[in-house]
Order: sequence, then C-alpha cells, then structure tokens
Amino acid sequence: AQTVTQSQPEMSVQEAETVTLSCTYDTSESDYYLFWYKQPPSRQMILVIRQEAYKQQNATENRFSVNFQKAAKSFSLKISDSQLGDAAMYFCAYRSRLGTGGTSYGKLTFGQGTILTVHP
Amino acid sequence: ETGVTQTPRHLVMGMTNKKSLKCEQHLGHNAMYWYKQSAKKPLELMFVYSLEERVENNSVPSRFSPECPNSSHLFLHLHTLQPEDSALYLCASSPGTSGGLGETQYFGPGTRLLVL
Repeated sequence: AQTVTQSQPEMSVQEAETVTLSCTYDTSESDYYLFWYKQPPSRQMILVIRQEAYKQQNATENRFSVNFQKAAKSFSLKISDSQLGDAAMYFCAYRSRLGTGGTSYGKLTFGQGTILTVHP
Repeated sequence: ETGVTQTPRHLVMGMTNKKSLKCEQHLGHNAMYWYKQSAKKPLELMFVYSLEERVENNSVPSRFSPECPNSSHLFLHLHTLQPEDSALYLCASSPGTSGGLGETQYFGPGTRLLVL
C-alpha cells in the first residue's frame, strides 16, 4: 500500500518570503500522480499543483512550484512571494490509477497535512 | 451553479437518527468519491463510484451506505452512527477518463457532521 508522509506539522513564513513544504511517499508503482492540495479555514479542498510521475520536468503554477525527485520519492512544494491568502493546511497526495479502458478513477492517499501560517 | 456542491454543510444527529448527505457535481464527471476527514488524521477514502457503479469500498462500516442514482449525484446515508463518526465528510469528482485531465479530483466544501 502507498503511504504519504509530511514531516512538518506546522510551518510559518513572512509575507513575500519563500517557504518549502516537504513530502515523501512510498510506492512500488511506476505510473502515478502527485498533488498538493490547499485547505483554508473554509475547509474547501483546492488543488494547488499536480505532477505526473513520468514527467521529469518539475511542475509550476505561478508562485507555486515543486521539486520532484522520483528516485528519492520526494515531492516538495515551494511557495514564492508568500501572501496572507496562502495561509492554510497543505496536503500532499498520491494518486494511483485504478480502472481500465476508457474510464479511469483514482484512489488518492493523503499525507497528514502541514499548517502554514503567513506573518504580515 | 458550477463545481461540486454538498448539502447540508453542517449536521448534528443522535446515534439513533437516520440522515443523508448529498453531493452534486456540475462538471460532467464520471467518477465520484466520498472521503472522511477526522481531526488529527489524514483524509480517508470511503467509497468510489465510476459511471454509477461502486468500484471501491474501503472497509467502511455498514452504518454508512452510499448511493449513486446518476453520474451527477452521490448520497451517503447514515444510520445508527457513533460519536467517533463525527468528522468532515468530503465529496469529490473526477472526469474519469484516461489521460492527464482525468487524474485530478475536484472537491466539494464538505459536510461537518457531529454525532451526539
């Protein structure tokens, strides 16, 4: 079974600074996807960024980027120019492909989460 | 209305009550999911439906009964729950098609359930 570990229960950053959230995972599969989700106090789970395992290039989405190290099974999230609105719980998630043919669905395995505080 | 919606947003019930949680997705997706989020624990997958067929039941007690009448709606029927079932219940959907876009799940806002 896959496991996802986030070793930082809490992190803090000054506004406009950069912060990196860590995530490691364990799997024997070669085809999978990795995600970072953000859950603000409203509890709505929002997709931040995704990475396909077969892609060597690290994904980026505006101020968010990842450092994907497949051999080390590491998937960290870097937030640049942090903003107050970035304060939230961040979850790393692993998705394995289930289903065959024209329909696929995915089982997401989540880490424990990291609470990010942004100081003005 | 767009996205994934869930009703009610908050629910308080006694252990002998029967209630249902509703999830609706307006994204034309083929797969829908129920997750449980308890305090201090990672999100746990409960059920997966693909094209209205249950394809995954992650060892969930029978007091939770899912129903997927069509690809846009998903219910979670609750009966004789325990206080430890108090949690945030999240619904999600995904396109359910092969390829990159099919691999992302979109979440609803959740139903916060308190069992007394």
